[in-house]
Amino acid sequence: GENVEQHPSTLSVQEGDSAVIKCTYSDSASNYFPWYKQELGKGPQLIIDIRSNVGEKKDQRIAVTLNKTAKHFSLHITETQPEDSAVYFCAAGRANFGNEKLTFGTGTRLTIIP
Amino acid sequence: DADVTQTPRNRITKTGKRIMLECSQTKGHDRMYWYRQDPGLGLRLIYYSFDVKDINKGEISDGYSVSRQAQAKFSLSLESAIPNQTALYFCATSDNRNTEAFFGQGTRLTVV
Repeated sequence: GENVEQHPSTLSVQEGDSAVIKCTYSDSASNYFPWYKQELGKGPQLIIDIRSNVGEKKDQRIAVTLNKTAKHFSLHITETQPEDSAVYFCAAGRANFGNEKLTFGTGTRLTIIP
Repeated sequence: DADVTQTPRNRITKTGKRIMLECSQTKGHDRMYWYRQDPGLGLRLIYYSFDVKDINKGEISDGYSVSRQAQAKFSLSLESAIPNQTALYFCATSDNRNTEAFFGQGTRLTVV
């Protein structure tokens, strides 16, 4: 089955700086890579996803990059703000198989230092 | 109001007790899921259901059972709770066309 490794487990950055979270996956058949943000006391929420037919996707201050050859993908947050403090989860799976085949990483706790 | 509602939000129970966690959704989605979250382990799938007559085991179904009472309701039961079932439990939904999962706010369960 799929194995997803996520690093780092904790990350602290100064407000305004950039944050990068990295994930690797093992199944070359995986073609769907979402990122979820979990704020304190809430459930995870999808913030961005990427499919294997593109190498990069941006949405305002967040971007995700994918290297299919190396089997790794990363979340980039620029100009970090206090509201970016949360736990972030990456995941890997196959778009046509649904969430039951999605494997999540172990999470990164991001803290933005004012 | 939340689209995916879990009850209770917090529960402390004793070893050996039966407990039910409930989930209801107003999104009209057919697919519903139960996940367990443990520190350092991420989210792991317990059970999932594609419609009222469909129940499927996930990665870690041992010690759990589920019931899909209606399209909008999916409950998770621990028949005889044990301390290592102490965790944060999430219900989620998705529709049949999209892989985005919509999560409830979670139930923090402590088994003592």
